[in-house]
Amino acid sequence: DSGVTQTPKHLITATGQRVTLRCSPRSGDLSVYWYQQSLDQGLQFLIQYYNGEERAKGNILERFSAQQFPDLHSELNLSSLELGDSALYFCASSPHRLLLAGGSTDTQYFGPGTRLTVL
Amino acid sequence: EDQVTQSPEALRLQEGESSSLNCSYTVSGLRGLFWYRQDPGKGPEFLFTLYSAGEEKEKERLKATLTKKESFLHITAPKPEDSATYLCAVISGNTPLVFGKGTRLSVIA
Repeated sequence: DSGVTQTPKHLITATGQRVTLRCSPRSGDLSVYWYQQSLDQGLQFLIQYYNGEERAKGNILERFSAQQFPDLHSELNLSSLELGDSALYFCASSPHRLLLAGGSTDTQYFGPGTRLTVL
Repeated sequence: EDQVTQSPEALRLQEGESSSLNCSYTVSGLRGLFWYRQDPGKGPEFLFTLYSAGEEKEKERLKATLTKKESFLHITAPKPEDSATYLCAVISGNTPLVFGKGTRLSVIA
């Protein structure tokens, strides 16, 4: 058990709908990361938050948005869902933001994931 | 653009048959290389972090090594419970973690 929790475990919805995925980081971790994993693409970085602020953005669609709350939990909102959005969505956390110059990089610990199925 | 290539895509071993998984990377200024294990439908489980060429880390039957262009995950006398997908990821400069597509390992009793 990594200490990162995600809800729900499974989500089945229809095209055009909007869903919210929730993540609680490990106790004390300030950074939260969201990833999408599909069969053909592997793990793709979506977005990172550090202590409530957006720190890095990856291949995140404009239909997707995220935020990190004062209690450090994070939510990933997916809207206008398409069939191709079906995937596993993982949240990861680490103690500090990955430093841009010098210092060490912190290991990211992953949650169990949310399996999203869009019908 | 940072790239991570893992080989082979799939590997089937008999129990006790040692082997190595490869992770080659093309990055500008490697700051860290990570190995994870992932079981089907589960989140990646952290195994090792390597920071500089020549570094080695061990955990039970696994040993990870790092050179300037690649990393190896050596599996000694594997057991069926070692069956999983092994993921390699790198971080460089100010880019986020970039993952390879993984090696799917099957260990047959």
